[in-house]
Formats: sequence, structure tokens, C-alpha cells
Amino acid sequence: GQQLNQSPQSMFIQEGEDVSMNCTSSSIFNTWLWYKQDPGEGPVLLIALYKAGELTSNGRLTAQFGITRKDSFLNISASIPSDVGIYFCAGQDTSGTYKYIFGTGTRLKVLA
Amino acid sequence: EPEVTQTPSHQVTQMGQEVILRCVPISNHLYFYWYRQILGQKVEFLVSFYNNEISEKSEIFDDQFSVERPDGSNFTLKIRSTKLEDSAMYFCASSEQGGTGELFFGEGSRLTVL
Repeated sequence: GQQLNQSPQSMFIQEGEDVSMNCTSSSIFNTWLWYKQDPGEGPVLLIALYKAGELTSNGRLTAQFGITRKDSFLNISASIPSDVGIYFCAGQDTSGTYKYIFGTGTRLKVLA
Repeated sequence: EPEVTQTPSHQVTQMGQEVILRCVPISNHLYFYWYRQILGQKVEFLVSFYNNEISEKSEIFDDQFSVERPDGSNFTLKIRSTKLEDSAMYFCASSEQGGTGELFFGEGSRLTVL
């Protein structure tokens, strides 16, 4: 089946640093969503991307839909302690169904 | 702000028992989903539901699982005879548009099977 691989798997960064993570697949996707999940809670939608090449920002977050439609990246600028959590990408495939497939996740830890 | 609500937040059950997890999707949404997350792992698709029928289900969603929209607001996931490996967080999600719609998740129901 389709898989979305995220890298890095986890990362420690200093408060104030910029963070970059990406999501790649061998398959083409129509839509990319980026989520943040805190422990014991549901994923919270951060950014949605609908067109190849699209670059979208939400505060300190910026995400891009790759030109090949097989990847996406998420950048967080000037990280703060509350950015800690697991970030998931989710792609909606081209099969005509409505499901989103989730990536393997990037665990972010911010050192104050 | 509209949100997806799920009950119960945590349920403990004995292996072999039936469990029903309940969800109230966002009111104007038409597409409904159940996802599962085993502790420490990624979020896995179980089933999507539109127009009062299943539109797609994963291989995880076997005959022990069923979904229902018993009225205009609730969306339920039933596990008929729970197994130990069904222990996980179960997330309900809804979307206004299935094709390119944003997917909004509930807080999840933690199921522990003993």
C-alpha cells in the first residue's frame, strides 16, 4: 500500500532555532495536510495544501506541496517550547476515495 | 469553533466484549472517518463513510468492526468482540468535502482491552 515517510524521525533543537521536516512518498497525492499531535490528544490541523508547488504559511509555520506531488515539507521558524509534539503529514491519494494516509511522524523536542 | 466530539474518552473492557465508540462530527460535514493509533505509532485509516454507507475500509476493518450513523448527528464505531490487539486510541474525523476537504479530528477514545 501507499506509504508516507517522514524525516527526521525525531529531533532536538534549541529554542529560537528554525526547524525543517519533510514527507516523501513513491505515490502522487492530491492534497497534503500537516498536523501536530500532543500526547493523549487528537491531531490538530496546521496547514492544508491543495496544488503542486503551493507554499502556504500559518504564523511561524510554512509548508510546501512538492512539484512532483510526491513530497511536502514543513518549516517552523523561531521554535518555542510549546512546539514540542509529533508532527504528521497526511496525503490524500489519487484513487478517487476520500481517505488520507498518515506519515510516520516527526517527534520534535525543544530545549529551552 | 465547531469541533468533533468523542465519547468515551477512555474505555476499559475485557477481551471478547463488545465496544461502541461514539462521535459527533462537525454539523455541516458530510464525510466521516475512523482512524486508529496504537501507542507510539502512526495514525492508521480504518474506514470512511459518506451518504450513509462505507466508501472505503482498510484491511484492519474486518468483520468485527462496523460503523453506523444512527441519527443525524452521531457516528459510531462498534467492535463486536474485542481482542487484545484492539487496544489503541480511536479517532473520529470529519470533512466538509471528501475530495479535497480538510480533515478535523476529535480528541480520541482510548480503548484498553484486558
